[in-house]
Amino acid sequence: AQSVTQLGSHVSVSEGALVLLRCNYSSSVPPYLFWYVQYPNQGLQLLLKYTTGATLVKGINGFEAEFKKSETSFHLTKPSAHMSDAAEYFCAVKQYGDKIIFGKGTRLHILP
Amino acid sequence: GAVVSQHPSWVICKSGTSVKIECRSLDFQATTMFWYRQFPKQSLMLMATSNEGSKATYEQGVEKDKFLINHASLTLSTLTVTSAHPEDSSFYICSARSDRSSNQPQHFGDGTRLSIL
Repeated sequence: AQSVTQLGSHVSVSEGALVLLRCNYSSSVPPYLFWYVQYPNQGLQLLLKYTTGATLVKGINGFEAEFKKSETSFHLTKPSAHMSDAAEYFCAVKQYGDKIIFGKGTRLHILP
Repeated sequence: GAVVSQHPSWVICKSGTSVKIECRSLDFQATTMFWYRQFPKQSLMLMATSNEGSKATYEQGVEKDKFLINHASLTLSTLTVTSAHPEDSSFYICSARSDRSSNQPQHFGDGTRLSIL
């Protein structure tokens, strides 16, 4: 069965500092992996996705993530945090068919 | 492109009433739509998947008679919460995909916050 674990329900970083949000997954076959962002009272916006090919994936708003099969990880990073990055971030995995399994989310706080 | 609109964004109603939530794809034809439920500070849980013109496929534990889903056109799906009770209060989010291929991305609406008094 697929599952997603996001380490840390809350992460705080200073403005301009590196953002690192951790995600580990379990899947019996090569998965599709996603990162979504959710602002308060809004739906989800796709930041980036990994399907096949290059393991370093670049997304919107300066975010990127690296698929590491040996570590079953798909951590999200951004070199320099901006105040507008404060939001809830969800890692997700899709194996077969339609169903996407979401992690529990990590709330990112940006400190001035 | 790929805009999904949900209506209403917020609804408060009395216990026992039925509430309908609309999900529209504004600039593409959505052959497949998904309905999720999100409890406070928790992740999204898939409730059901619907393909245009077909009956919805519900996830285990979701009451299909309580959460009625209709996907009668390529741009509109509705979720009706029948005889709503306080425990049905939640944030409901729909998403839509442009074809039946599961490789296409899902585009999410902004969600509907439902509060049952």
